[in-house]
Amino acid sequence: DTAVSQTPKYLVTQMGNDKSIKCEQNLGHDTMYWYKQDSKKFLKIMFSYNNKELIINETVPNRFSPKSPDKAHLNLHINSLELGDSAVYFCASSTPRRIGNTIYFGEGSWLTVV
Amino acid sequence: GENVEQHPSTLSVQEGDSAVIKCTYSDSASNYFPWYKQELGKRPQLIIDIRSNVGEKKDQRIAVTLNKTAKHFSLHITETQPEDSAVYFCAAEGGSQGNLIFGKGTKLSVKP
Repeated sequence: DTAVSQTPKYLVTQMGNDKSIKCEQNLGHDTMYWYKQDSKKFLKIMFSYNNKELIINETVPNRFSPKSPDKAHLNLHINSLELGDSAVYFCASSTPRRIGNTIYFGEGSWLTVV
Repeated sequence: GENVEQHPSTLSVQEGDSAVIKCTYSDSASNYFPWYKQELGKRPQLIIDIRSNVGEKKDQRIAVTLNKTAKHFSLHITETQPEDSAVYFCAAEGGSQGNLIFGKGTKLSVKP
């Protein structure tokens, strides 16, 4: 009964391909995120959704498109993959800001572009 | 927007010693400051947090202090153990949407 689950955990693909990472949370949270962690371990927010609506869209190439079919799911689709997209992508959800904004991360998806 | 600086980037201590990691933030409106621990190959997990209405919080061997005037907060780990070895991230809540901005992480190594 993992709280935030994402699939796949490992993904190796060639440049130019299109791939998706799925994320689901069963915590009942309204807010979900995608974070990117590069080889230097920097954690950077990419997107934030609240009740299926896009709230935050940091400087991310248009090749990255999040989709939230409902508030428990936030999927990430990446077009025309590049070598620089290799990273660990963490999905997350959080408690409401008014009670603390605690972020719960998924286990991560290791993406390697070759 | 919010900017969070974290130091040091790496820290090596002997088992039993204390470890201190420091962070500064730029947005004086930030009110929430969590710390996350990420073990090798695992997800970041919340270990302790502090809100702006308190100056210090303790949980067993871990404590966090906050100085709102100076806009800095610190993580203190006492009696370190090898299992404390991990990357630690500080964060501050920033911006109109209140999203968390993370520091760049501190790799803590505890030598037995």
